[in-house]
Amino acid sequence: DADVTQTPRNRITKTGKRIMLECSQTKGHDRMYWYRQDPGLGLRLIYYSFDVKDINKGEISDGYSVSRQAQAKFSLSLESAIPNQTALYFCATSDHRDTTQETQYFGPGTRLLVL
Amino acid sequence: DAKTTQPNSMESNEEEPVHLPCNHSTISGTDYIHWYRQLPSQGPEYVIHGLTSNVNNRMASLAIAEDRKSSTLILHRATLRDAAVYYCIRSQGGSEKLVFGKGMKLTVNP
Repeated sequence: DADVTQTPRNRITKTGKRIMLECSQTKGHDRMYWYRQDPGLGLRLIYYSFDVKDINKGEISDGYSVSRQAQAKFSLSLESAIPNQTALYFCATSDHRDTTQETQYFGPGTRLLVL
Repeated sequence: DAKTTQPNSMESNEEEPVHLPCNHSTISGTDYIHWYRQLPSQGPEYVIHGLTSNVNNRMASLAIAEDRKSSTLILHRATLRDAAVYYCIRSQGGSEKLVFGKGMKLTVNP
């Protein structure tokens, strides 16, 4: 079974709709991240959370919100989707106890199309 | 700003070694160098990381220049499964500091 899962894997929505992307992990890690990837580009950090009560904005947080419902769950919401939010979204986790510079473990991604 | 420079792409032949270069001329003394790779239709996966000394693991080796301004990821025997986009990343500490640039696409020819 995958350690980091994302649902849905693919989603098509319309402009103005609210959608939620979910991420779950069984690795027991305390830190979780949301990234987006646009074609031909690297990943850009949207939000990250170091613990259940900790939420931090990343490089491109405008238009997004997150919720850390439990240590194992971190969801990303688009309150009112717009076409330029069409992208591939990745969730990742890491463990702050990994003193050798915290490896991040990524989920399989959610492909989102906003029409 | 990824603060590392990689070629856009490289090609190699299956079962031959391949050296993937990365320049990080403005690296500071406490920055680690990380390599991740992203196989087609998958999320990135960790490959290796290092600070000053050369590092080896089951996937690859990392050779870091003595002045730390460049490094080379070495795949000792490329396989078709190694075809991916490789990201060279420097981090100043803390996993949230990982900045993924465009990476370098490696093509492995049979």
